[in-house]
Amino acid sequence: NAGVTQTPKFQVLKTGQSMTLQCAQDMNHNSMYWYRQDPGMGLRLIYYSASEGTTDKGEVPNGYNVSRLNKREFSLRLESAAPSQTSVYFCASGTGGFSSGANVLTFGAGSRLTVL
Amino acid sequence: AQKITQTQPGMFVQEKEAVTLDCTYDTSDQSYGLFWYKQPSSGEMIFLIYQGSYDEQNATEGRYSLNFQKARKSANLVISASQLGDSAMYFCAMRFYNQGGKLIFGQGTELSVKP
Repeated sequence: NAGVTQTPKFQVLKTGQSMTLQCAQDMNHNSMYWYRQDPGMGLRLIYYSASEGTTDKGEVPNGYNVSRLNKREFSLRLESAAPSQTSVYFCASGTGGFSSGANVLTFGAGSRLTVL
Repeated sequence: AQKITQTQPGMFVQEKEAVTLDCTYDTSDQSYGLFWYKQPSSGEMIFLIYQGSYDEQNATEGRYSLNFQKARKSANLVISASQLGDSAMYFCAMRFYNQGGKLIFGQGTELSVKP
Protein backbone atom coordinates (compact mmCIF):
# COMPACT_ATOMS: atom_id res chain seq x y z
CA ASN A 1 0.00 0.00 0.00
CA ALA A 2 1.29 3.42 -0.96
CA GLY A 3 -0.54 5.31 1.81
CA VAL A 4 -0.28 9.04 1.12
CA THR A 5 1.69 10.09 -1.96
CA GLN A 6 2.83 13.67 -2.52
CA THR A 7 4.36 15.07 -5.66
CA PRO A 8 6.73 16.66 -6.35
CA LYS A 9 9.22 15.96 -3.54
CA PHE A 10 11.31 19.01 -4.39
CA GLN A 11 10.53 22.17 -6.32
CA VAL A 12 12.28 25.49 -6.88
CA LEU A 13 10.16 28.40 -8.06
CA LYS A 14 10.76 32.02 -8.87
CA THR A 15 8.68 34.68 -7.18
CA GLY A 16 5.36 35.05 -8.98
CA GLN A 17 5.31 31.59 -10.54
CA SER A 18 2.47 29.23 -9.87
CA MET A 19 2.47 25.55 -9.04
CA THR A 20 0.30 22.77 -7.70
CA LEU A 21 1.25 20.21 -5.09
CA GLN A 22 -0.54 16.94 -5.59
CA CYS A 23 -1.64 14.55 -2.87
CA ALA A 24 -3.32 11.18 -3.25
CA GLN A 25 -4.28 8.54 -0.69
CA ASP A 26 -5.37 4.96 -1.23
CA MET A 27 -6.83 4.24 2.21
CA ASN A 28 -10.40 5.37 1.51
CA HIS A 29 -10.04 8.16 4.06
CA ASN A 30 -12.64 10.90 4.27
CA SER A 31 -10.45 13.70 5.67
CA MET A 32 -7.42 15.22 4.01
CA TYR A 33 -5.12 18.01 5.15
CA TRP A 34 -2.34 20.29 3.95
CA TYR A 35 0.30 21.60 6.37
CA ARG A 36 3.41 23.64 6.09
CA GLN A 37 6.38 23.14 8.38
CA ASP A 38 8.84 25.91 9.12
CA PRO A 39 11.72 25.77 11.62
CA GLY A 40 10.57 26.46 15.17
CA MET A 41 6.91 26.69 14.21
CA GLY A 42 5.74 23.11 14.05
CA LEU A 43 3.16 22.14 11.45
CA ARG A 44 0.61 24.77 10.61
CA LEU A 45 -2.66 23.83 8.98
CA ILE A 46 -3.24 25.50 5.61
CA TYR A 47 -6.50 23.90 4.45
CA TYR A 48 -8.37 20.74 5.18
CA SER A 49 -11.21 18.75 3.67
CA ALA A 50 -13.53 16.81 5.94
CA SER A 51 -15.05 14.90 3.04
CA GLU A 52 -15.24 14.88 -0.72
CA GLY A 53 -16.72 18.15 -1.90
CA THR A 54 -15.86 20.23 1.18
CA THR A 55 -12.84 22.35 2.03
CA ASP A 56 -12.13 24.64 4.98
CA LYS A 57 -9.47 27.15 5.85
CA GLY A 58 -6.92 26.30 8.48
CA GLU A 59 -4.51 28.53 10.37
CA VAL A 60 -2.53 29.97 7.45
CA PRO A 61 -4.65 29.85 4.24
CA ASN A 62 -3.54 33.13 2.64
CA GLY A 63 -1.78 32.68 -0.68
CA TYR A 64 -3.08 29.14 -1.20
CA ASN A 65 -6.02 27.42 -2.85
CA VAL A 66 -7.09 23.81 -2.64
CA SER A 67 -9.20 21.38 -4.61
CA ARG A 68 -10.67 18.13 -3.36
CA LEU A 69 -10.81 16.53 -6.76
CA ASN A 70 -12.35 13.28 -5.53
CA LYS A 71 -12.11 11.16 -2.41
CA ARG A 72 -8.53 10.18 -3.15
CA GLU A 73 -6.97 13.47 -4.23
CA PHE A 74 -6.44 16.83 -2.55
CA SER A 75 -4.28 19.40 -4.32
CA LEU A 76 -2.68 22.61 -3.04
CA ARG A 77 -2.09 25.49 -5.43
CA LEU A 78 0.17 28.49 -5.10
CA GLU A 79 -1.10 31.05 -7.62
CA SER A 80 1.74 33.55 -7.24
CA ALA A 81 4.55 32.13 -5.16
CA ALA A 82 6.36 34.33 -2.65
CA PRO A 83 9.62 33.73 -0.75
CA SER A 84 7.56 33.49 2.46
CA GLN A 85 6.06 30.31 1.06
CA THR A 86 9.40 28.55 1.14
CA SER A 87 8.67 25.61 3.39
CA VAL A 88 8.17 21.88 3.65
CA TYR A 89 4.60 20.91 2.85
CA PHE A 90 2.91 17.83 4.23
CA CYS A 91 -0.30 16.22 3.11
CA ALA A 92 -2.18 13.93 5.51
CA SER A 93 -5.34 11.87 5.48
CA GLY A 94 -7.53 10.22 8.09
CA THR A 95 -10.92 8.83 8.86
CA GLY A 96 -13.58 11.04 10.38
CA GLY A 97 -14.69 8.84 13.24
CA PHE A 98 -14.25 9.46 16.92
CA SER A 99 -13.36 5.95 18.02
CA SER A 100 -9.73 5.68 19.02
CA GLY A 101 -8.84 3.12 16.43
CA ALA A 102 -10.00 5.28 13.58
CA ASN A 103 -8.14 8.43 14.40
CA VAL A 104 -4.57 8.00 13.28
CA LEU A 105 -3.65 10.36 10.51
CA THR A 106 -1.26 9.16 7.85
CA PHE A 107 1.24 11.64 6.47
CA GLY A 108 2.95 11.89 3.15
CA ALA A 109 6.73 12.16 2.95
CA GLY A 110 6.67 15.92 2.43
CA SER A 111 7.42 18.31 -0.42
CA ARG A 112 10.25 20.80 -0.07
CA LEU A 113 9.46 24.04 -1.87
CA THR A 114 11.91 26.89 -2.35
CA VAL A 115 10.77 30.23 -3.74
CA LEU A 116 13.57 32.50 -4.92
CA ALA B 1 -9.18 30.24 20.83
CA GLN B 2 -7.79 26.88 19.86
CA LYS B 3 -4.16 26.43 20.59
CA ILE B 4 -1.58 23.81 21.46
CA THR B 5 1.45 24.88 23.45
CA GLN B 6 4.68 22.99 23.91
CA THR B 7 6.89 25.06 26.18
CA GLN B 8 10.08 22.99 25.90
CA PRO B 9 11.90 23.76 22.65
CA GLY B 10 14.62 21.26 23.55
CA MET B 11 15.12 18.50 26.10
CA PHE B 12 17.99 16.23 27.04
CA VAL B 13 17.64 12.85 28.71
CA GLN B 14 20.10 10.14 29.63
CA GLU B 15 19.65 6.81 27.92
CA LYS B 16 17.41 4.41 29.91
CA GLU B 17 15.86 7.22 31.93
CA ALA B 18 12.26 8.41 31.65
CA VAL B 19 11.35 11.82 30.21
CA THR B 20 8.18 13.89 30.16
CA LEU B 21 7.35 16.20 27.26
CA ASP B 22 4.81 18.88 28.13
CA CYS B 23 1.72 19.81 26.15
CA THR B 24 -1.10 22.13 27.12
CA TYR B 25 -4.09 23.01 25.00
CA ASP B 26 -6.86 25.51 24.88
CA THR B 27 -10.31 24.80 23.51
CA SER B 28 -13.95 25.17 24.47
CA ASP B 29 -14.91 22.11 22.42
CA GLN B 30 -15.96 19.01 24.32
CA SER B 31 -15.17 16.47 21.61
CA TYR B 32 -11.53 16.34 20.68
CA GLY B 33 -8.62 13.98 20.41
CA LEU B 34 -5.02 14.46 21.49
CA PHE B 35 -2.12 12.96 19.61
CA TRP B 36 1.62 12.74 19.82
CA TYR B 37 3.74 12.39 16.72
CA LYS B 38 7.47 11.79 16.38
CA GLN B 39 9.50 13.30 13.56
CA PRO B 40 13.04 11.91 13.22
CA SER B 41 15.68 13.72 11.23
CA SER B 42 14.55 11.84 8.12
CA GLY B 43 11.38 13.94 8.20
CA GLU B 44 8.52 11.47 8.29
CA MET B 45 5.69 11.86 10.81
CA ILE B 46 5.23 8.82 13.02
CA PHE B 47 2.11 8.38 15.15
CA LEU B 48 2.86 7.49 18.76
CA ILE B 49 -0.25 7.68 20.91
CA TYR B 50 -3.84 8.94 21.03
CA GLN B 51 -6.20 10.08 23.82
CA GLY B 52 -9.86 10.92 23.29
CA SER B 53 -11.41 13.71 25.35
CA TYR B 54 -13.92 11.28 26.84
CA ASP B 55 -11.37 8.59 27.68
CA GLU B 56 -11.07 8.32 31.43
CA GLN B 57 -7.93 6.21 31.48
CA ASN B 58 -4.57 7.45 30.31
CA ALA B 59 -3.47 5.96 27.00
CA THR B 60 -0.41 3.73 26.83
CA GLU B 61 1.46 2.33 23.84
CA GLY B 62 4.54 0.33 24.79
CA ARG B 63 7.09 2.75 26.26
CA TYR B 64 4.82 5.72 25.61
CA SER B 65 2.10 6.92 27.92
CA LEU B 66 -0.03 10.03 27.83
CA ASN B 67 -0.67 11.80 31.11
CA PHE B 68 -4.08 13.34 30.41
CA GLN B 69 -5.31 15.93 32.91
CA LYS B 70 -8.50 17.28 31.41
CA ALA B 71 -9.19 19.94 34.04
CA ARG B 72 -5.70 21.35 33.56
CA LYS B 73 -5.94 20.91 29.78
CA SER B 74 -2.67 19.09 29.61
CA ALA B 75 -1.61 16.00 27.69
CA ASN B 76 2.00 15.26 28.54
CA LEU B 77 3.92 12.46 26.84
CA VAL B 78 5.98 10.19 29.04
CA ILE B 79 8.68 8.07 27.43
CA SER B 80 10.03 5.39 29.71
CA ALA B 81 13.48 3.84 29.36
CA SER B 82 14.71 6.28 26.69
CA GLN B 83 16.67 4.89 23.78
CA LEU B 84 19.11 6.60 21.44
CA GLY B 85 16.58 6.14 18.65
CA ASP B 86 14.13 8.33 20.56
CA SER B 87 16.14 11.41 19.59
CA ALA B 88 13.74 13.36 17.39
CA MET B 89 11.20 16.18 17.28
CA TYR B 90 7.97 15.44 19.13
CA PHE B 91 4.72 17.15 18.30
CA CYS B 92 1.52 17.32 20.30
CA ALA B 93 -1.63 17.71 18.22
CA MET B 94 -5.36 18.13 18.76
CA ARG B 95 -8.23 17.11 16.51
CA PHE B 96 -11.67 18.73 16.66
CA TYR B 97 -14.50 16.36 15.81
CA ASN B 98 -17.16 19.04 15.63
CA GLN B 99 -15.10 20.91 13.07
CA GLY B 100 -14.73 18.30 10.39
CA GLY B 101 -11.75 16.67 12.02
CA LYS B 102 -9.56 19.77 11.98
CA LEU B 103 -6.13 18.90 13.40
CA ILE B 104 -3.63 21.45 14.73
CA PHE B 105 -0.11 21.01 16.09
CA GLY B 106 2.08 22.50 18.77
CA GLN B 107 5.51 23.95 18.00
CA GLY B 108 7.34 20.77 18.92
CA THR B 109 10.01 19.66 21.38
CA GLU B 110 13.38 18.42 20.23
CA LEU B 111 14.47 15.50 22.37
CA SER B 112 18.09 14.42 22.52
CA VAL B 113 18.98 11.15 24.22
CA LYS B 114 22.52 10.97 25.58
CA PRO B 115 24.41 7.67 25.82
